[in-house]
Amino acid sequence: GAVVSQHPSRVICKSGTSVKIECRSLDFQATTMFWYRQFPKQSLMLMATSNEGSKATYEQGVEKDKFLINHASLTLSTLTVTSAHPEDSSFYICSAFSDRGRLYEQYFGPGTRLTVT
Amino acid sequence: AQSVTQLGSHVSVSEGALVLLRCNYSSSVPPYLFWYVQYPNQGLQLLLKYTSAATLVKGINGFEAEFKKSETSFHLTKPSAHMSDAAEYFCAVSDSSKANTGNQFYFGTGTSLTVIP
Repeated sequence: GAVVSQHPSRVICKSGTSVKIECRSLDFQATTMFWYRQFPKQSLMLMATSNEGSKATYEQGVEKDKFLINHASLTLSTLTVTSAHPEDSSFYICSAFSDRGRLYEQYFGPGTRLTVT
Repeated sequence: AQSVTQLGSHVSVSEGALVLLRCNYSSSVPPYLFWYVQYPNQGLQLLLKYTSAATLVKGINGFEAEFKKSETSFHLTKPSAHMSDAAEYFCAVSDSSKANTGNQFYFGTGTSLTVIP
């Protein structure tokens, strides 16, 4: 089956620094990738939709200047949390969608636990 | 607009008992429906999905769900709970008409399943 990886799996950073999270589709090309965040004991909230070669579409309430998303290739999307603060601590999950084969299925990465101290 | 409601944020069952996790959806278009399981500090694993074929869908680990359009429901069941079933379960809905352009998933708030030995 399709595999999506995320790196790093866990990261701890100091307040005010920036952190980059990578999301890779390992064995398929992802035309669209989604970024979610999940607070403890809560559901996944969509942050943004990223299409290869174009600007990401952010959900209402998500600061695009704080959460920079780049989808430079069909297998890689990155989320950069700029000037991170403790309230940005969360579990970030990406998913990848392919327009070939199973058109209706997203493949989820294992998540990245971000802790801002 | 699409949304999912999961009734019961916590469900406890005895080992060997029936598991029933409820999911009701709202969608202005024919939906695709999904159930995912999440273990602590891990990503989402697809249990099963409904994509307008058979209304009774069988998934992995003995789970199944039935799509009932008249009740706008997609409840998840398993005849006999196992200790390893203890996890967080998420129901999700997406727009079937956007299957070939990338789907946005809308997740429920999740149900935490506890299995009592």
